[in-house]
Amino acid sequence: NAGVMQNPRHLVRRRGQEARLRCSPVKGHSHVYWYRQLPEEGLKFMVYLQKENIIDESGMPKERFSAEFPKEGPSILRIQQVVRGDSAAYFCASSPSIFGGTADTQYFGPGTRLTVL
Amino acid sequence: AQSVTQLDSQVPVFEEAPVELRCNYSSSVSVYLFWYVQYPNQGLQLLLKYLSGSTLVKGINGFEAEFNKSQTSFHLRKPSVHISDTAEYFCAVSELGFQKLVFGTGTRLLVSP
Repeated sequence: NAGVMQNPRHLVRRRGQEARLRCSPVKGHSHVYWYRQLPEEGLKFMVYLQKENIIDESGMPKERFSAEFPKEGPSILRIQQVVRGDSAAYFCASSPSIFGGTADTQYFGPGTRLTVL
Repeated sequence: AQSVTQLDSQVPVFEEAPVELRCNYSSSVSVYLFWYVQYPNQGLQLLLKYLSGSTLVKGINGFEAEFNKSQTSFHLRKPSVHISDTAEYFCAVSELGFQKLVFGTGTRLLVSP
């Protein structure tokens, strides 16, 4: 069974460029989450998506960041006009469908390490 | 709002010694609690989780944790560590009905021979 796949694993961008991070969830999982890990810090929630819907984006910066999870294909985290402060590891997680408020385990991908020069 | 505190940023221990990694949380509602491990340059792997029921939870790799509601703690323990347990350990919490995880800042476990 394939786990959560993220690509690229490493991404280098110059200031002002765009970064696109991809996440393919575990087969059959319809919920995707994005987290950011700054150096020497814990993970911070960014956004929670279901197919074609953003459920909770309370952790997303107000500008330059967007996320989508289309009906077909991977989830994409897009960062426009990157700045040095965007350098971090970005982790994607997925979980299966939930009913009755039951918390399902989130399975994490290996992360994409973004370096902004 | 929830928060998670991991007071120890680093815990050095000798191989085969016991270890406890501390985690305290704050929340105004009921929560689910998790411990994840992160090996260098890898993603997070779930060690164990507490949803309800018995307050002593057993996980993978010989780890266990105990939920203490009165002390709002969820400390992780292992009776005898191995060199291969060297990693970063994260405690996390989620409110019932919500899916986002709130993480602590992590504890680096350093196991030496």
